[in-house]
Amino acid sequence: EAGVAQSPRYKIIEKRQSVAFWCNPISGHATLYWYQQILGQGPKLLIQFQNNGVVDDSQLPKDRFSAERLKGVDSTLKIQPAKLEDSAVYLCASSWGGEETQYFGPGTRLLVL
Amino acid sequence: KQEVTQIPAALSVPEGENLVLNCSFTDSAIYNLQWFRQDPGKGLTSLLLIQSSQREQTSGRLNASLDKSSGRSTLYIAASQPGDSATYLCAVRGSGNTPLVFGKGTRLSVIA
Repeated sequence: EAGVAQSPRYKIIEKRQSVAFWCNPISGHATLYWYQQILGQGPKLLIQFQNNGVVDDSQLPKDRFSAERLKGVDSTLKIQPAKLEDSAVYLCASSWGGEETQYFGPGTRLLVL
Repeated sequence: KQEVTQIPAALSVPEGENLVLNCSFTDSAIYNLQWFRQDPGKGLTSLLLIQSSQREQTSGRLNASLDKSSGRSTLYIAASQPGDSATYLCAVRGSGNTPLVFGKGTRLSVIA
């Protein structure tokens, strides 16, 4: 079974630029999550999708972050414009349902200069 | 608001030792608790999931216990190996479709 795929693996941008991350969950998983993990911290949920609908985006900074899940499969997370404090690892995870084991991708490491 | 604390923040042990990692949480009304492993530059791997009605779960050399009333969980690793070196994260989920809340993790080094 293929795991959760993410791209790119690394990204370096300057502040005020835009950036987008892509995630392909495990086939058949209805629930998809985006997390932000700042160095030395545990992951923090940014947004949760159930199929192509948003379940929880209460911790997503909506003035600069946006996310979509096209056709309930792939998902993209965008930051526009980026700030220095957005430097982090962005992790995508998926699960069969909202309360079951989550499977994580390798993450995208973002550095904002 | 749920808060998860993991102690110690870092731990270094010689190969072969048995060790215990601790996790505490402030709100005992949880649905389940998970232990994850994170290797440098990689995502998280789920190790054990304990439902709120359970007391412990075991997988190979790993055993996780849950005492919901006291807001504590422990991860016991038997006969540690250098390959166990990683960061171990504890996460709790509240009732309903609430998100996982993670601790900051314990960074484990097993020295050969």
